[in-house]
Amino acid sequence: AQSVTQLGSHVSVSEGALVLLRCNYSSSVPPYLFWYVQYPNQGLQLLLKYTTGATLVKGINGFEAEFKKSETSFHLTKPSAHMSDAAEYFCAVSPTDSWGKLQFGAGTQVVVTP
Amino acid sequence: EAQVTQNPRYLITVTGKKLTVTCSQNMNHEYMSWYRQDPGLGLRQIYYSMNVEVTDKGDVPEGYKVSRKEKRNFPLILESPSPNQTSLYFCASSLGFAGDTQYFGPGTRLTVL
Repeated sequence: AQSVTQLGSHVSVSEGALVLLRCNYSSSVPPYLFWYVQYPNQGLQLLLKYTTGATLVKGINGFEAEFKKSETSFHLTKPSAHMSDAAEYFCAVSPTDSWGKLQFGAGTQVVVTP
Repeated sequence: EAQVTQNPRYLITVTGKKLTVTCSQNMNHEYMSWYRQDPGLGLRQIYYSMNVEVTDKGDVPEGYKVSRKEKRNFPLILESPSPNQTSLYFCASSLGFAGDTQYFGPGTRLTVL
């Protein structure tokens, strides 16, 4: 069975500082990997995903993530935080042999301080 | 506008009173899914559907039913709601291939007293 772990339920960053959100998965076969963002009182929207090919993936709003198979990780980064990045971020995985199932991590709430 | 809609957005009900939360998408998507979101647990998948008349269990299907009689609609049915089903529910849809992006509805906040 696969699982998804996000380190840190809350992260506080200063405006202009690096944003780093950690995601590790456990799976015998590398799954499809996703980062979704949820702004207050809204549904989720996709930030970026890794399915195949280049392991460094660029997404919307200046975010990127790198798939590291040896570390079973898919950490999300943004070089310079903006106030509008305040939201909850979810890492999610989908097994390649049963792609209808999508499993989410517990989420990381990001607070951006001036 | 391409979207996933859910109704109602807010619902307060009592234990045992059957209810249905509707979900509709206008993107001609093959795949639809239901999730519940609880603090500290993230989103957990309840049921999903690969196509019309094809549904399968997610991680937390107990106490829920779904049906997919037509491509655009995927209602979630709670036949006898209990307080532990108080949660925020999201419907999502996608084109229907591996690794595809899921598009989420705005959510339905359900309280069962």
